[in-house]
Amino acid sequence: ETGVTQSPTHLIKTRGQQVTLRCSSQSGHNTVSWYQQALGQGPQFIFQYYREEENGRGNFPPRFSGLQFPNYSSELNVNALELDDSALYLCASSPPTGRPGELFFGEGSRLTVL
Amino acid sequence: TQLLEQSPQFLSIQEGENLTVYCNSSSVFSSLQWYRQEPGEGPVLLVTVVTGGEVKKLKRLTFQFGDARKDSSLHITAAQPGDTGLYLCAGASRTGTASKLTFGTGTRLQVTL
Repeated sequence: ETGVTQSPTHLIKTRGQQVTLRCSSQSGHNTVSWYQQALGQGPQFIFQYYREEENGRGNFPPRFSGLQFPNYSSELNVNALELDDSALYLCASSPPTGRPGELFFGEGSRLTVL
Repeated sequence: TQLLEQSPQFLSIQEGENLTVYCNSSSVFSSLQWYRQEPGEGPVLLVTVVTGGEVKKLKRLTFQFGDARKDSSLHITAAQPGDTGLYLCAGASRTGTASKLTFGTGTRLQVTL
């Protein structure tokens, strides 16, 4: 069984640029969530996708957007990058019958904004 | 705003010692999870507690959920170097139709020989 995979693992961008991060959910998992983890902190909820629609969002501005595809994979897009966007971006998936809060995380994409 | 505070933030102990990590919240959560995260990896779920007063054991790890479902503790007996990592508590709640986790600040544990 393949777990959650994310790409790229590391990337460097400059202020004002745009970035797309990708996530393949674990087999059979239809819900995908994205979290931002700044250095030395716990992850913060960005948003969640279910049936190709965003069904919940944390305190992140509209320049953070996402997509979910029919195969349940997902993308996180960030426009107009700022220095504070430097962080580890974690994708997590969960199965249809899973308990709330029981998520399966990928290894993350580490974004550095210069 | 829901907040989860963990203490201590850092803990460095020797192999064989016992330790307790605390997670306190101003809010009630429907459930509380403990995750462990190692460098370069995503968090891995250790346990879920749901009922106030619940105690769960996972080998040398004992997890307790407070009676009011606002605080939790993780106790490790006879710590080993393999226990080294970042321990995160997280509370589950609903936002819209989504289920989200609010994570604590984390406790970084280092166990040395």
